[in-house]
Amino acid sequence: KAGVTQTPRYLIKTRGQQVTLSCSPISGHRSVSWYQQTPGQGLQFLFEYFSETQRNKGNFPGRFSGRQFSNSRSEMNVSTLELGDSALYLCASSLWAPGREQYFGPGTRLTVT
Amino acid sequence: GESVGLHLPTLSVQEGDNSIINCAYSNSASDYFIWYKQESGKGPQFIIDIRSNMDKRQGQRVTVLLNKTVKHLSLQIAATQPGDSAVYFCAEKKNSWGKLQFGAGTQVVVTP
Repeated sequence: KAGVTQTPRYLIKTRGQQVTLSCSPISGHRSVSWYQQTPGQGLQFLFEYFSETQRNKGNFPGRFSGRQFSNSRSEMNVSTLELGDSALYLCASSLWAPGREQYFGPGTRLTVT
Repeated sequence: GESVGLHLPTLSVQEGDNSIINCAYSNSASDYFIWYKQESGKGPQFIIDIRSNMDKRQGQRVTVLLNKTVKHLSLQIAATQPGDSAVYFCAEKKNSWGKLQFGAGTQVVVTP
């Protein structure tokens, strides 16, 4: 099976812009979670979707949003980008409940200038 | 993806020795504890997990120990190999559908 894919792999944006990141889970997986990884804060949970419904949300401002489509593919959007949003954004998929046997993609490196 | 964490604690291990990576967790209500490995340029990779009603679980070359009394989790890697060089994260979940909370991570460096 193909692994979790994320596009784009690298992205450079300027402050105030918005960005959309895409994640395609492993075929058959219905749960998709998003994480932000930075040197200062480590890996932080953003949100998690199962069957197109957001089941959990982390402690991030409303500028961070996401959605999941009927084919389980997911997108996350960050509006009004700030310098502090520069990070590696990771997507992970699992068959059912997230966490256990959760498979991560390679991430999207976002740089905000 | 990249392995981030320029200021992580580092464990230096000689090839062939056993490694022990420690993690203190915060939520006594957590039901699942999971270890992940993140190699440079890749996303985290699931290694092994353990439920709160267990105190030990073994996998291939790895053993996870859980001490709920002191809220401590450890990962033991037997006969450490160069391919084990990576950042290791512990994570906890309250239940199957709970949020996954990651620890800070430990950089493991295997020396020949």
